[in-house]
Amino acid sequence: DIQMTQSPSSLSASVGDRVTITCQANQDINKFLNWYHQRPGQAPKLLISDASNLRAGVPSRFSGRGSGTDFNLIISSLEPEDLGTYFCQQYETLPLTFGPGTTVDLK
Amino acid sequence: QVQLLESGPGLVKPSETLSLTCSVSGGYIANANYFWGWVRQAPGKGLVWLGSIFYRGNTNYNPSLDSRLTITVDKSKNQFSLRLNSVTAADTAVYYCARLGGATVGGNWFESWGQGTLVTVSS
Repeated sequence: DIQMTQSPSSLSASVGDRVTITCQANQDINKFLNWYHQRPGQAPKLLISDASNLRAGVPSRFSGRGSGTDFNLIISSLEPEDLGTYFCQQYETLPLTFGPGTTVDLK
Repeated sequence: QVQLLESGPGLVKPSETLSLTCSVSGGYIANANYFWGWVRQAPGKGLVWLGSIFYRGNTNYNPSLDSRLTITVDKSKNQFSLRLNSVTAADTAVYYCARLGGATVGGNWFESWGQGTLVTVSS
């Protein structure tokens, strides 16, 4: 299985801050990487597919970059509704695997 | 806008079988553009893909489930189902059904999710 790691595991930020979350794969996954946001008690929501493709309806303050083994999710200006946990997920090889998550809360 | 809704018992005894159904509305399950899958999340833990199915019945499973898992599809009811045998407390989790987009076998990304249903394994 491809192992995904994320850093940091949690962070505190203020509204308006730029936030960067890192995801790493233990082998080359090209650009086969997706990002999700999960609010407490809710199902995850797909934000970005193929490392950098912003999904319809997702605010433009979200962006993704990277390829190979290193990826970033960037929130250019944090909004209160962005709080929660962010997961990366690879689909280069089955089984599909997720990172452990990065929890974002308000400072 | 497709909607998915999980249903099934919230409590299952150890060694028994966990069975869940996902009802799909607002779209047809018999659509060659999508796979349909299950993900679970143990309390306070991360997300684990369990398996996916194509409307023709082709399945892909996570090997970690040790062949305990079966996913089936019922096109006539626009539903797909999960059966997990020989459950233990480690199978206690919120179970989500989802629609997967993308062209790769098994699906690439989880683009629509059910609300999730908590299943507790306990005697």
